[in-house]
Amino acid sequence: DTAVSQTPKYLVTQMGNDKSIKCEQNLGHDTMYWYKQDSKKFLKIMFSYNNKELIINETVPNRFSPKSPDKAHLNLHINSLELGDSAVYFCASSPTGARGTQYFGPGTRLTVL
Amino acid sequence: SQQGEEDPQALSIQEGENATMNCSYKTSINNLQWYRQNSGRGLVHLILIRSNEREKHSGRLRVTLDTSKKSSSLLITASRAADTASYFCATDAGQAGTALIFGKGTTLSVSS
Repeated sequence: DTAVSQTPKYLVTQMGNDKSIKCEQNLGHDTMYWYKQDSKKFLKIMFSYNNKELIINETVPNRFSPKSPDKAHLNLHINSLELGDSAVYFCASSPTGARGTQYFGPGTRLTVL
Repeated sequence: SQQGEEDPQALSIQEGENATMNCSYKTSINNLQWYRQNSGRGLVHLILIRSNEREKHSGRLRVTLDTSKKSSSLLITASRAADTASYFCATDAGQAGTALIFGKGTTLSVSS
């Protein structure tokens, strides 16, 4: 009955590879997000989607591309991975945009070697 | 851009003591939220306080908001070892659909 799920939980890969992280929410929420948490625990928004439409695209390299096949899914594709991409990536969702509670997934720890 | 700044960065207390964490932010807000993150886990929402509220309680949690000083505090009373976690404040300054802006967090360690 997980509300927001992410796969995989851990991802170890070589520089230059392309990888994807999947996110699904079963809460019926309209808005989904991707956040990046660095090694100092600083959490920063990357993307926000509302009903499959991109709302926010922060200053993120265009190697990162979100894809929302439907309202319940927001996947993150990363091309040409770099060492600096190593971080924990969190997916989240909310029913009314950012004015309400956000529900976070368990995170995906990405390690680029 | 970073909105919230928590203070202190780290806090160590004994079980049964109270823990107070502070958060300052820069711009006008619609609401302010506090989240907890256990080690290796996602963030869990604790409490939301709206810009027109000054104080809110939830169980052992008490949150205050001072919009004139652009600051908030989270008080955890009678702390337990299970309260050991990182605590983040987050603000919403934009339209619905825009994301929360998180502070750097306070790492709380409660020893038994």
